[in-house]
Amino acid sequence: GAVVSQHPSWVICKSGTSVKIECRSLDFQATTMFWYRQFPKQSLMLMATSNEGSKATYEQGVEKDKFLINHASLTLSTLTVTSAHPEDSSFYICSASTSDNTDTQYFGPGTRLTVL
Amino acid sequence: ELKVEQNPLFLSMQEGKNYTIYCNYSTTSDRLYWYRQDPGKSLESLFVLLSNGAVKQEGRLMASLDTKARLSTLHITAAVHDLSATYFCAVGPDNFGNEKLTFGTGTRLTIIP
Repeated sequence: GAVVSQHPSWVICKSGTSVKIECRSLDFQATTMFWYRQFPKQSLMLMATSNEGSKATYEQGVEKDKFLINHASLTLSTLTVTSAHPEDSSFYICSASTSDNTDTQYFGPGTRLTVL
Repeated sequence: ELKVEQNPLFLSMQEGKNYTIYCNYSTTSDRLYWYRQDPGKSLESLFVLLSNGAVKQEGRLMASLDTKARLSTLHITAAVHDLSATYFCAVGPDNFGNEKLTFGTGTRLTIIP
């Protein structure tokens, strides 16, 4: 149980284009999903908290107009990197938390974005 | 601001040996998580520690939590090559009750045959 999927697994795009990444909780409902980015050999940095049916909460320093988050249902959140640039190249990981008392976050497999 | 530090950052050890990874955090928190990450992969949940004195074990890994010292440890017993990975601790919720996790720096563990 508690499986989270991401699509695509990796994407290469040209600078200036937009890229959408999907995050799905496959066997549970997640009212809250989280989006992280991870640069090589570094830790995970939270970008935003995504709540179903409401606006995402962005961490300080994360541009909400550049990283658009939509949480349309209890099993799907999307992250759109708009007008991507090479410095946006990173490993993007989503997670979803269960509603049990541990609030454990289960992580998706990640999406590796390379912007040329 | 909640800060989470891990020690050591890098660790190379021989098979069969024991070692401990330390995770210190700066403010009181309800929950401490340990995750494993293999190269190019996402995070795998290992342990959730919910209270002071909590101890959990799975195979050769054992995690403990001391909320008074704001310290968690991940102990490796008789290491085997398959345990080579990067291990992260994470703390949550934050001081405002938000579910978000704050991750430690990670410990890259290499087990040498």
